[in-house]
Amino acid sequence: GENVEQHPSTLSVQEGDSAVIKCTYSDSASNYFPWYKQELGKRPQLIIDIRSNVGEKKDQRIAVTLNKTAKHFSLHITETQPEDSAVYFCAPKTSYDKVIFGPGTSLSVIP
Amino acid sequence: DSGVTQTPKHLITATGQRVTLRCSPRSGDLSVYWYQQSLDQGLQFLIQYYNGEERAKGNILERFSAQQFPDLHSELNLSSLELGDSALYFCASTNSRRLSGNTIYFGEGSWLTVV
Repeated sequence: GENVEQHPSTLSVQEGDSAVIKCTYSDSASNYFPWYKQELGKRPQLIIDIRSNVGEKKDQRIAVTLNKTAKHFSLHITETQPEDSAVYFCAPKTSYDKVIFGPGTSLSVIP
Repeated sequence: DSGVTQTPKHLITATGQRVTLRCSPRSGDLSVYWYQQSLDQGLQFLIQYYNGEERAKGNILERFSAQQFPDLHSELNLSSLELGDSALYFCASTNSRRLSGNTIYFGEGSWLTVV
């Protein structure tokens, strides 16, 4: 079956530093690679995504990079702020609509 | 507001009981997903429906069942409840027919507490 891993599982950074979270997947049919942010007690929400025909996408302080050959994609957050503290999930999706979320990475930004 | 509606928002029930969680997907979305999230845990995929039919099954217990109705709303039935079933249950929807349909939209969740 599909296997989705995230590294690290927890990450603590100083405010203003960068954070990188990596997602590794096993299903070579995956063609859509989103990252979701979940704040405490709230629902997960999409923050950025990338499709399989693109290598990198940036939206202000966040970016996602994709290495389809190696089957991993990463979330990059620059100039981190306390409000970036949350749990981040990757959720690679196959062409058959199946979505498996990674185990999550808990990011803490220390003021 | 994601457009996905879940009821009830909170539910407290006793062990051994049965509950039904309801989800209305976003207008036009054909796929409905159910996820379970226990305290400090990730999103455990339970089951997915597409246009009324079961499409994929995850780690869903035999005590749990779900269905999607012709109007596309979905229900998750949890029976013979145990203390360990206490969790936040999310419903999510997507419309894979649209290019933007790859995004999963989550409801606010149903908090289930089994006592």
